[in-house]
Amino acid sequence: GAVVSQHPSWVICKSGTSVKIECRSLDFQATTMFWYRQFPKQSLMLMATSNEGSKATYEQGVEKDKFLINHASLTLSTLTVTSAHPEDSSFYICSAPGLAGGGPETQYFGPGTRLLVL
Amino acid sequence: AQRVTQPEKLLSVFKGAPVELKCNYSYSGSPELFWYVQYSRQRLQLLLRHISRESIKGFTADLNKGETSFHLKKPFAQEEDSAMYYCALGRGYQKVTFGTGTKLQVIP
Repeated sequence: GAVVSQHPSWVICKSGTSVKIECRSLDFQATTMFWYRQFPKQSLMLMATSNEGSKATYEQGVEKDKFLINHASLTLSTLTVTSAHPEDSSFYICSAPGLAGGGPETQYFGPGTRLLVL
Repeated sequence: AQRVTQPEKLLSVFKGAPVELKCNYSYSGSPELFWYVQYSRQRLQLLLRHISRESIKGFTADLNKGETSFHLKKPFAQEEDSAMYYCALGRGYQKVTFGTGTKLQVIP
């Protein structure tokens, strides 16, 4: 079946540094990918929609200059947390539709990346 | 605004007992509801969707538009059902709004 991977699985960084998280669709192509953030004991919140070959679409309240998204190819989307601060510490999850044009039921989720900013 | 509410953070039941995980939603359009499950140390995965009206692993969920609910039910809980369950609302193209999740703990 379709698999979505994320790298790294966890990262610890100092405040003020930038962190890049990769999301890859391993055996299928994804023109669209989604990035979520999950705080402890809270729900997954959609941050942005990553579009291959065009700009990402951000949800209301998400700073696009803070969370840079690049969808470089049909199998890779990256999320860069710029000038990270402790409040950015969270669990970041990506997903991709396994079927082109498929709805939410076709979403495959990555295992998540835990970010801790000191 | 779209909202998904799961009132229980934790639900503990004995093995063999019935299970009902509650989910209520608010959405102005025609809702598309889903249940996702996350087993320990595994990634989030789709359990079922209301459109298909299917039973997966013994779980069913009926969309009640009058009560704006989409409760997940299973007549006899099994230990392997222990997991985190998220109710979700599809909105627009592929986007999903998740509830806060309910941890189901099945006691042997």
